[in-house]
Amino acid sequence: SQTIHQWPATLVQPVGSPLSLECTVEGTSNPNLYWYRQAAGRGLQLLFYSVGIGQISSEVPQNLSASRPQDRQFILSSKKLLLSDSGFYLCAWSDRGDQPQHFGDGTRLSIL
Amino acid sequence: TQLLEQSPQFLSIQEGENLTVYCNSSSVFSSLQWYRQEPGEGPVLLVTVVTGGEVKKLKRLTFQFGDARKDSSLHITAAQPGDTGLYLCAGSGAGSYQLTFGKGTKLSVIP
Repeated sequence: SQTIHQWPATLVQPVGSPLSLECTVEGTSNPNLYWYRQAAGRGLQLLFYSVGIGQISSEVPQNLSASRPQDRQFILSSKKLLLSDSGFYLCAWSDRGDQPQHFGDGTRLSIL
Repeated sequence: TQLLEQSPQFLSIQEGENLTVYCNSSSVFSSLQWYRQEPGEGPVLLVTVVTGGEVKKLKRLTFQFGDARKDSSLHITAAQPGDTGLYLCAGSGAGSYQLTFGKGTKLSVIP
C-alpha cells in the first residue's frame, strides 16, 4: 500500500532563516506531488505541484520554492523566511491530476 | 477559474442531530471528493463521486453528486462527537493537474 511521510511535524524558525521541508511517498511510481499551505482551520492554498522529476509548477509567486530531485521526493524550501510564511504545510500525492489526493500529516511552521 | 463554495462555514450541533453541508459551483466537475480533517493532521479522503446523481453511503454519512455535476452534499445522520472536524470538498476538471478545494465546513458535535 502507498504511504506518504512528511517531516518535521513542527518547526520553529527565526525570520530570515532558511527552510527545508521534505516529503516522500512509498508504494507508487511517478506520482503527482503537491505542496499546500493552510490557514488556521480553513481551505488549502496550492503552492506547487509536480508531474515528474525536475518538473515544478508554481501556483503562487512568493518566498518559497520546490524541488523534486527523485521520483517520490518533494522538497519545499526557502532561502529567507518571512513572518508571513507561518502556517500549516501539507504535502500530497495522486496517481493523476484528476484523481483524489492523499495527504501527509503536515508541518506546523512558526516564524518568530 | 473553477470555484467551490461550501456552506455553512461553521456548524455546531448536539450529539444525535442530523445535518447537511453543501458544496456548490457554477462549473462542471468530472469528479468530486470529500475529505475530513482533524486539527493538526492532513485531510483524509472519505469518498469520490463521479456520476451525476450518484449517491454513496459511508456508515452514517451520505454523499450525493448533483445531476449536473456542479454541486454535492454531505448528510450526517445522528452525529457523533467523533464526526467533529473540517469537511472539505474538492473537484477536478477533465485533464486537470490539480484539484479545486472549497474552504471547508468546520463541524463541532457537542456531547
